[in-house]
Amino acid sequence: DTAVSQTPKYLVTQMGNDKSIKCEQNLGHDTMYWYKQDSKKFLKIMFSYNNKELIINETVPNRFSPKSPDKAHLNLHINSLELGDSAVYFCASSQRGQTYEQYFGPGTRLTVT
Amino acid sequence: KNEVEQSPQNLTAQEGEFITINCSYSVGISALHWLQQHPGGGIVSLFMLSSGKKKHGRLIATINIQEKHSSLHITASHPRDSAVYICAVRGGGTSYGKLTFGQGTILTVHP
Repeated sequence: DTAVSQTPKYLVTQMGNDKSIKCEQNLGHDTMYWYKQDSKKFLKIMFSYNNKELIINETVPNRFSPKSPDKAHLNLHINSLELGDSAVYFCASSQRGQTYEQYFGPGTRLTVT
Repeated sequence: KNEVEQSPQNLTAQEGEFITINCSYSVGISALHWLQQHPGGGIVSLFMLSSGKKKHGRLIATINIQEKHSSLHITASHPRDSAVYICAVRGGGTSYGKLTFGQGTILTVHP
């Protein structure tokens, strides 16, 4: 039973398009994250939500908009895609007040052509 | 300079060798994580520690808070240990579990 799932796993699209990546966790956690992994495998946090409230918002272009309809879901919408957005995007979840151990989704490989 | 630095960046070993990966950080932290990313891409949390030492099977992680340094050791390495190992630190206070990552160490273990 998958703990943190993401869809789609692969996404190939053209510059200028708008796309969304979905993330769901069934661990009962109250905090979810989006990370971007670049071509050199370097991970960097983008956003975090706690109980549907945005709590971390790093320096990310405003073309990226996260949305959390409930605490089990955190989606990432990207407008006007650019070549530099090509990366692997990971969703993760954790529970505040405990260990903050994070559980990662399988990643979504986004390729912008 | 990154807040979290790992060494070496690339490591090649023969099966059975003892392996050490190092992580140094320059900020105050509440915990340090070691993560493993296999060639298939998935990321798995190996350890989370804030002091001392933890052991899980052939893997041992240590941290020295005063020296701001952690090490990940693999005893009796095996080709299936080949992966990218990533050190990440969690800030204290109101950081809400935000992780800052090292650049990763690519480990290849040959049979």
